[in-house]
Amino acid sequence: QVQLVESGGGVVQPGRSLRLSCAASGFSFSSHGLHWVRQTPGKGLEWVAVISYDGSNTYYADSVKGRFTISRDNFKNTLYLQMNSLRAEDTAVYYCAREGGWLQIVWSFDIWGQGTMVTVSS
Amino acid sequence: FMLTQPHSVSESPGKTVTISCTGSSGSIASNYVQWYQQRPGSAPTTVIYEDNQRPSGVPDRFSGSIDSSSNSASLTISGLKTEDEADYYCQSYDNFHVIFGGGTKLTVL
Repeated sequence: QVQLVESGGGVVQPGRSLRLSCAASGFSFSSHGLHWVRQTPGKGLEWVAVISYDGSNTYYADSVKGRFTISRDNFKNTLYLQMNSLRAEDTAVYYCAREGGWLQIVWSFDIWGQGTMVTVSS
Repeated sequence: FMLTQPHSVSESPGKTVTISCTGSSGSIASNYVQWYQQRPGSAPTTVIYEDNQRPSGVPDRFSGSIDSSSNSASLTISGLKTEDEADYYCQSYDNFHVIFGGGTKLTVL
């Protein structure tokens, strides 16, 4: 079945780096854009970044621009989020989500992963 | 551009509830609105996309609409069940950024 599985979360000190992964299965990975969305425990959803189906276009939330990098490997069916210069306010559950569009970004999500927790603390 | 939702709503089983999502500026009808359900301890799932479309598997008790006169979108759930108790988020986009509403906690009691 269609599935997204995140990994790579954990506890990291402020200023350090962490890379999240999202393994996809059950669909044509290279035909869909992919997003990262985060949620601070007990709070609402916050969009982080999106990458187009072929990796040629990326867009970021202002809160992470310049610190986070979204990328993908269409041979490995895997999405990544490289997070540098981490701050306490980056503490959240990070979800990967499939773009609702086919070969285009339509700015919606149709499939979500279960999330991976990132805690930034000294 | 912001989307504003009521913090919480409550209704009894079997009744109908409507959750609003109001755009701060421009026309909410300019871009599609989606709705996501998030049950406690779980990831979000999509219940409405492109304003009023239901993904397969979502019961027809869920419906979405747009009201241009009030610049708002609405999610209506009829025949409420206890399993509908969850947080609901509206979502659209603006200037190459995804925008979420703050979420509405639906209590079914």
